[in-house]
Amino acid sequence: IVLTQSPATLSVSPGESATLSCRASQTVGRNLAWYQHKHGQAPRLLIYGAFTRATGVPARFSGSGSGTDFTLTISSLQSEDFALYYCQQYNNWPPLTFGGGTKVEI
Amino acid sequence: EVMLLESGGEVVDLGGSLRLSCVASGFSVGGYAMAWVRQAPGRGLEWVAAISGSGGATFYADDAEGRFTISKDVSKNTLYLHTTHLRAEDTATYHCAKGFDFGDYWFEPWGPGTLVTVSS
Repeated sequence: IVLTQSPATLSVSPGESATLSCRASQTVGRNLAWYQHKHGQAPRLLIYGAFTRATGVPARFSGSGSGTDFTLTISSLQSEDFALYYCQQYNNWPPLTFGGGTKVEI
Repeated sequence: EVMLLESGGEVVDLGGSLRLSCVASGFSVGGYAMAWVRQAPGRGLEWVAAISGSGGATFYADDAEGRFTISKDVSKNTLYLHTTHLRAEDTATYHCAKGFDFGDYWFEPWGPGTLVTVSS
């Protein structure tokens, strides 16, 4: 299953909202996760099951969608939110697959 | 606190071998699925291999099948990735990751990674 993330880069100002898209080449149900990755650090799970926030993830992060189209929304972006974001499907594998990533920049 | 820390990455010759280790703390690797995911320079995350909670099942990306072996030692609470016949395109930071819960193949936490550089 190929995951296509868009846009590749998203330029936003602090306090604004960001909407990231992940589209699957075939249905993955709700078996989709979102991760945040900052350079030189461990990736961090944000969302699993398409919309369930992981422990400790701020409420400004929300996931939605099912089937082939998914969205990660970050409301009121904080400085620490500028990073790379990846989606991952675990519905039909191997292989587990990740999207190509969206860079959220200032 | 649940943590993972990788080691073993280094500069290795084309065609060479390397064993990567991932020491877990705060949980038992015997109770969870685990995985290796890599990131090549300038590229995104790429799944490499996974192992079931019991260790009885292993799974590989096509590119890793036959060259890489994932395993875990519960007594040492450590996950391994044995890599052989390394290619230039295997150059990447390799992260280990813990399945969210038993039987889950989405991952938290992850380790910070260990860098493998395959040199020709």
